[in-house]
Amino acid sequence: DQQVKQNSPSLSVQEGRISILNCDYTNSMFDYFLWYKKYPAEGPTFLISISSIKDKNEDGRFTVFLNKSAKHLSLHIVPSQPGDSAVYFCAASARTGNQFYFGTGTSLTVIP
Amino acid sequence: SQTIHQWPATLVQPVGSPLSLECTVEGTSNPNLYWYRQAAGRGLQLLFYSVGIGQISSEVPQNLSASRPQDRQFILSSKKLLLSDSGFYLCAWSEKDRETYSGNTIYFGEGSWLTVV
Repeated sequence: DQQVKQNSPSLSVQEGRISILNCDYTNSMFDYFLWYKKYPAEGPTFLISISSIKDKNEDGRFTVFLNKSAKHLSLHIVPSQPGDSAVYFCAASARTGNQFYFGTGTSLTVIP
Repeated sequence: SQTIHQWPATLVQPVGSPLSLECTVEGTSNPNLYWYRQAAGRGLQLLFYSVGIGQISSEVPQNLSASRPQDRQFILSSKKLLLSDSGFYLCAWSEKDRETYSGNTIYFGEGSWLTVV
C-alpha cells in the first residue's frame, strides 16, 4: 500500500514561472516530510524538509507547505530555472520507526 | 562531514550469476542504513534497512539479501540473479536519534546500475 503518493507523473513549466509539485500521504503518524531532487543515474539529493509542527518552510527559491488536515504537502519553486528539470520525490517518516516512505516521483521539465 | 559511497557504479550480469553491491558511510557512527531500488519509471522501493550490525529488516520478499558486517558497511547480495532484479540500486543512511520537533534526513549514495541479461 502506497502511503505517500505523487499523483502527477510529470509537469512542464516555463522558465521564470512557479512550479508546484504535490504530494499526499495516508498515515497520520507521519510527522516529518522531505523533498528530494534526482537526476538520471544519480542518487537523490535532499532539498528541503518540514516538521508537522509547521505549515511552511522556506529555503531560497524552494518553499514547502504542509496541510495536515488534508494530509497534503506541496513544493513551490519560484522562479523555475532549466537546471531544476529533474525528478522530485517527496518522503515521509514517523517518530516511531526507522523507515522513510517515498512517493513515485514527479518529473519536472522547465522550458527555457 | 559525512559521506556515503557505493560500488560498483555499473554492472552487467548474466541471469543466475551472483551479486554483491557494497556501501560504506564515513563521518558518522551507528547510522541507520538502507537499500532502495528504483525500477525503470517507478519510485523508490525500500528493500532492506538496518539499525545495527547484524540487524537486517526486509521490506519485500525477493531474490536479494543484505548484510551489515561492520557498523558503517552495508552489502546487498544475491546468489542467483533474475531478469527482474535489473534496476538502479541506492544505498542510504540516516542518523538514529531524532531531535525534538524535527526529524532525520536520509542521504543517498551515487547509485549502482544493474542490468541482468
